[in-house]
Order: sequence, then structure tokens, then C-alpha cells
Amino acid sequence: DVKVTQSSRYLVKRTGEKVFLECVQDMDHENMFWYRQDPGLGLRLIYFSYDVKMKEKGDIPEGYSVSREKKERFSLILESASTNQTSMYLCASSSQGIWENTIYFGEGSWLTVV
Amino acid sequence: QKEVEQNSGPLSVPEGAIASLNCTYSDRGSQSFFWYRQYSGKSPELIMSIYSNGDKEDGRFTAQLNKASQYVSLLIRDSQPSDSATYLCAVIGSSASKIIFGSGTRLSIRP
Repeated sequence: DVKVTQSSRYLVKRTGEKVFLECVQDMDHENMFWYRQDPGLGLRLIYFSYDVKMKEKGDIPEGYSVSREKKERFSLILESASTNQTSMYLCASSSQGIWENTIYFGEGSWLTVV
Repeated sequence: QKEVEQNSGPLSVPEGAIASLNCTYSDRGSQSFFWYRQYSGKSPELIMSIYSNGDKEDGRFTAQLNKASQYVSLLIRDSQPSDSATYLCAVIGSSASKIIFGSGTRLSIRP
């Protein structure tokens, strides 16, 4: 079974802090994604990556950055956390050839910024 | 117009009945379509994928795709209380660069 692991499930951070959300997948997937999910807004793509050291902006990249130094690991970074970044963050992965490949999600990281 | 649209619900269906969930998409070149189920506080899990026009059945679930009408639906037969969740429609567009999710339909199965 595909496993996507988000190491931090629940975090509370102060405004202005730097926040790291880590994600690791164990299926040698090329594609990795970071989404945030808010009530009424659905899943919104923040950043995605098709390969090591490659990254592409999604729909809402402002205030975020990412790092993919190894194929299995994709990190989301909030350089200076703000209260409007309080949300659930979902990491996901899929194999290359995106047309017929399922995207698998981690369990989610609930971030509260106070 | 949103790229993938779903009625947010809630959709209330009696136990044992058929639940019908609908989704429309704007990119006519889209090729891949997915339905995910998400329980409150949990991450989405894949129920079905469909790539060709017509119906695809898996147990109590049937996905229906009509590319001419840009419409994909999910039918749940013999609805159970455990089917109460939010159902997300997802589409890979013609650029194949990313998967686009609808905002989800909340389904409630009443006893």
C-alpha cells in the first residue's frame, strides 16, 4: 500500500514564526503536492513537484515555499506564519504519467496560527 | 466559472436508497476523472476512477462519465450510514499538469 506520511499532525504556532511541514512517501512517486483545505473552499493547490529539486506554483503559492531535496520528501515552508494560514494541509503523491495515476493523500496536518 | 463544480449539499438520502452525486467540469480536453470520499477530520480516499464514456461499477458504487456534456456522476446503491461523508470530484485537465478538485458534496444518509 502507498503510504504518505505527514510527521506533524497538529501544530500551534505564533504569528511570524517559521513553520516546516514535512511529508514523506514510500512508493518512489515522482509527483508530490501540497494542498490546503478550508471549509467551503475545497482543496487548493499550493505547490507541486515533478522531480527532485523541481517545483511549480499552484493556485495559492503566496506566503509559502517548498523544498524537494530527495525524491521521497517534500517540505512545505511558511516563512512567516500568519493567522490566515490556519488550515488543514494535505500532502499527496502520484507516479509519473499523471493521466491514469491516482493521487494518494497523507493524513493531514492541522495548523493553527495564533 | 469554476473548473470543477459540485453542489455543496448537504444531500440527504434515506438508508437503502440510491445517492446520486454530480460534477461538471469546464476543460473539454479532460481525460481522467476521480471520486474521493472524505470523512470529517480525515484525508480524502479514492473511491473510483473513470477514463472512458459510460458507466464503471465497483460494488455499490457506479461512476458515470459523459464527456460530450462534461459531466461525471457517482451513484451509491443501498446507501448506508457509513456512506455519510463529503465526496470530492477530481479532474485531470488537458494539460495533464495537475489534478483539479471540486469543493465537494456533503452526503448524509438518514436511518
